[in-house]
Amino acid sequence: GDSVTQMEGPVTLSEEAFLTINCTYTATGYPSLFWYVQYPGEGLQLLLKATKADDKGSNKGFEATYRKETTSFHLEKGSVQVSDSAVYFCALSETQGGSEKLVFGKGTKLTVNP
Amino acid sequence: DVKVTQSSRYLVKRTGEKVFLECVQDMDHENMFWYRQDPGLGLRLIYFSYDVKMKEKGDIPEGYSVSREKKERFSLILESASTNQTSMYLCASRHRPGATVSEQYFGPGTRLTVT
Repeated sequence: GDSVTQMEGPVTLSEEAFLTINCTYTATGYPSLFWYVQYPGEGLQLLLKATKADDKGSNKGFEATYRKETTSFHLEKGSVQVSDSAVYFCALSETQGGSEKLVFGKGTKLTVNP
Repeated sequence: DVKVTQSSRYLVKRTGEKVFLECVQDMDHENMFWYRQDPGLGLRLIYFSYDVKMKEKGDIPEGYSVSREKKERFSLILESASTNQTSMYLCASRHRPGATVSEQYFGPGTRLTVT
């Protein structure tokens, strides 16, 4: 089946540093790609998404571009803040037998220090 | 505002007990999902439901069952809890996608400990 591989954490950065969290995928079709974020003590919430090749998703200063040639969807932010400390999950949508499911990576914990 | 609620944030049960985890969404969504989240393993799909009274096994259904009698409510049942079911359980819902992919909305999670 389809799968998602994201860089292992934890990642620790200082405030205003540049962030990259790598995500690559394997899929038989052309899935939609997502980044979800989980703040401490909360459920997951959608951060951004891209539905086709070369699409760029963006939200709250975060960006990710759907690269079909490298099967990647890396998350970037130019200047992180303490409030960005969270766990980040890359995911793809997989369609099997008419049903659509999300396949998640293992998550990357980000800590931003003042 | 979109809302998915779960009946408990923390739950402690004994081995062999029958455990019910409840999830309610107020968005009239057709699809609902149960995941478990474990360190180093990410989120794994246990069961999902397309619509009322419909259910499909996910990737790790063993030891679990589900019930969806009403559109807004999706219950996860551990028939006989075991210590390896100690985990964080997350519920999610989604409007049934048509031509576009729609996001899943997650509840806050239930941290279940089986002793």
